[in-house]
Amino acid sequence: DGGITQSPKYLFRKEGQNVTLSCEQNLNHDAMYWYRQDPGQGLRLIYYSQIVNDFQKGDIAEGYSVSREKKESFPLTVTSAQKNPTAFYLCASSSTSGGPTGELFFGEGSRLTVL
Amino acid sequence: QQPVQSPQAVILREGEDAVINCSSSKALYSVHWYRQKHGEAPVFLMILLKGGEQKGHEKISASFNEKKQQSSLYLTASQLSYSGTYFCGTASAGGTSYGKLTFGQGTILTVHP
Repeated sequence: DGGITQSPKYLFRKEGQNVTLSCEQNLNHDAMYWYRQDPGQGLRLIYYSQIVNDFQKGDIAEGYSVSREKKESFPLTVTSAQKNPTAFYLCASSSTSGGPTGELFFGEGSRLTVL
Repeated sequence: QQPVQSPQAVILREGEDAVINCSSSKALYSVHWYRQKHGEAPVFLMILLKGGEQKGHEKISASFNEKKQQSSLYLTASQLSYSGTYFCGTASAGGTSYGKLTFGQGTILTVHP
């Protein structure tokens, strides 16, 4: 079945450590996104990529980094520079052929807790 | 800028109706609606496009007022399965950021038997 796989589902990190969240899709979608979700604040865009080897900052990119070396993969690194990293992280993809009408397909999410 | 949703929360009994609103200060090209159940990923409900076209996958209706940059989601004869948090996501007119959506803060819908 086609879909988006995020791992790990739960992750604990000590302050000062970098962590990388994995996102893989087999939907053959060009565009991929990372959103952060905090209670009462909806989903906020961290980074997005419309094509391999290219990505753009979203609304809250500070303290995060991404790479897009393969079409199906879009890992997110939460660096030690992110001041409040505890959150629920969602990866999504869409077909850019749909333009701004393309629906987003979401992964199951990764919950990061900083101890 | 984040679109504003109202109400923030609504409680219904099965069979009752609800309306969730989404307003933006920017000129919009499209409005998306998603529903998220606790601990799960958001699931697509509907897209409304500038010009009036609607695309959806469930028996839920919505409207898009281009002049006011507002969208409303109509949930009729609610079922227990409708419970969850509803998000609108907006794509602004102009630019080339395909699929780049800005989401509202969410509306929590609870349906009781």
